[in-house]
Amino acid sequence: EDQVTQSPEALRLQEGESSSLNCSYTVSGLRGLFWYRQDPGKGPEFLFTLYSAGEEKEKERLKATLTKKESFLHITAPKPEDSATYLCAVHPPSGGYNKLIFGAGTRLAVHP
Amino acid sequence: NAGVTQTPKFQVLKTGQSMTLQCAQDMNHNSMYWYRQDPGMGLRLIYYSASEGTTDKGEVPNGYNVSRLNKREFSLRLESAAPSQTSVYFCASSPTVTSYEQYFGPGTRLTVT
Repeated sequence: EDQVTQSPEALRLQEGESSSLNCSYTVSGLRGLFWYRQDPGKGPEFLFTLYSAGEEKEKERLKATLTKKESFLHITAPKPEDSATYLCAVHPPSGGYNKLIFGAGTRLAVHP
Repeated sequence: NAGVTQTPKFQVLKTGQSMTLQCAQDMNHNSMYWYRQDPGMGLRLIYYSASEGTTDKGEVPNGYNVSRLNKREFSLRLESAAPSQTSVYFCASSPTVTSYEQYFGPGTRLTVT
């Protein structure tokens, strides 16, 4: 069964303390892996798409990387405004539609 | 350019009542989706519409119906609400069904008592 697992469930950082969030998946023949940011009471906001192992994408303090079994979202010198839930999703090869399988997310809190 | 809009933002229903959640997008996207988000679980696809005039079931369609009214609007109907349908509902859209970037609305928080 296609599955996406994110860890940790919650992460508390001090401002400036770099760390990484993990997204592991069991999908074979991945068509794409996606990172979203979700603020409380709002819908997910698209961040990155990764298609192949070794690929990296960056946006401000965020950098996403992909291996054959997992993806990491690295946060460098985070600020309080980076506090949010970060969602990972994969697009499996099965299914005839644009199906995304989402993980449960990592809640990130960055304190000044 | 408002993106994806949803109404209402909050709703409380009693078991057995019906209601329709409305969604509209102004990005000229072809594909639209309805998801539900429950605590500790990822977003789960309820129904999707690859293009105007078509709808298909997603992962958790039971208890729901949808209508793709036109290219802009995609509604989700609960015919007889149940407590298990208490959730946050998100509408999303993408340029085509093969475009993997989906743009989400702000959500509707539904409580069924």
